[in-house]
This record gives sequence, C-alpha cells and structure tokens, in this order.
Amino acid sequence: SYELTQPPSVSVSPGQTARITCSGDALPKKYAYWYQQRSGQTPVLVIYEDKKRPSAIPERFSGSSSGTMATLTISGAQIEDEADYYCYSTDSSDNHSPWVFGGGTKLTVL
Amino acid sequence: EVQLLESGGGLVQPGGSLRLSCAASGFSISTYAMNWVRQAPGKGLEWVSSISVGDDSANIADSVKGRFTVSRDNSRNTLYLQMNRLRAEDTAIYYCARDELVPPAPLAHWGQGTLVTVSS
Repeated sequence: SYELTQPPSVSVSPGQTARITCSGDALPKKYAYWYQQRSGQTPVLVIYEDKKRPSAIPERFSGSSSGTMATLTISGAQIEDEADYYCYSTDSSDNHSPWVFGGGTKLTVL
Repeated sequence: EVQLLESGGGLVQPGGSLRLSCAASGFSISTYAMNWVRQAPGKGLEWVSSISVGDDSANIADSVKGRFTVSRDNSRNTLYLQMNRLRAEDTAIYYCARDELVPPAPLAHWGQGTLVTVSS
C-alpha cells in the first residue's frame, strides 16, 4: 500500500524557518496537500496542489515539491504555528484508489 | 457558512455496529465529494472513505473494507458511515470532511468529530 513519510518532529525558535518534508513515490505526478492540527482542534488545510495557499492562511506558509519529496515551509515561524502537520495525497487518478496521510510531524516553536 | 455536524458515536462492544451521521448545512452534499477521516487517541489522521459526486462511487480504506460502508441521503443532506464488525483498533474520533471545488482541494472543511470507542 502507498505510504507518505514525514519526520516525527521538527523544532525551531520563533522567527526561524521551519521545513517539514513528505516523501512518497507518486509525488512526482500527484499533488500533495498539507493540513495543520493544533492541539485539541480539527485539522485545517494550509497548502493545496503542492504550493497554493488558501486565502485565510498567512503568507509565511508555503509549499513546494520536487521529485518524490514535498516540503511545507513556514518562514518566520510563530508560537501559534506549533501544531501537528500532515501531508495527504494519493498514488493514482483512479477514483477507487485510496488516499493516505503521512504520519504527521509535530512542530515545536520555542 | 459550511457546517458539518457528526453524530452517532459512542461505546460499542467488539463485533458490534454503529452508524455515524454527518448533517451538512450551508451547502448541498449532492454537489460535493464527501469524506470520512479518523484519528485514534494520540495518533495521526487516517483516511477512511470518500464518496464522489454524480455516480456516488465510494472509495474505502483497506483497513475497513468489507466492514464499513459510506452513503449519502441527499434529501436529508446527510452523509453516513455504517460500521459493522467493529474492532478495538477502530476506536477513534471520526471526522466528516467536504472537498472544495474552487479552489480544488480535498478535505477543505471539517466537522468537529464524533468519538467511537470499541471496548468490552
């Protein structure tokens, strides 16, 4: 079955740049999506189609993808960005192919 | 405003059944792909099922295939997840989520979730 691999944790100081990676064999041909889940809250979409940002998401959030790796970048991380981040994708265009989440990355900002 | 309200969770014994509901408001579920995602206590997100627009074709994760069924009732504007032969490992918060058309993005809107506990 298809898998997306993320580092379990990333730690940065406030104002630094945080980078969270997601690797998957199908990422060269399939989009990655990124979700933020703060403690006790429901997930929020922060990046779609590899690099596009919903209008309500701060500009410090950006995404990129190269080869089998997608990256979520938070430029100038803030305390409120501390959360779990999940990538999400599929390995086929078939409507019956499963979607998968990465295992999640806990971002600590301190 | 898009609102999704899950219900139907609770405590059930192993081997039992539950039906989760997701009542939608602010839009018609007949025009959007809808999904179920779960999160076991202290664990990550897991995609469970999706139902597409038009032909209502359903897509189910291997971990629940043959036990869970997704459906929708457009007249009630409600999404369902029928869960049979439940196992301890099905214990999780179950979220209903709606895709967005413009911009195109899966899981753009989420409900608050309903907790399912499978235990004797």
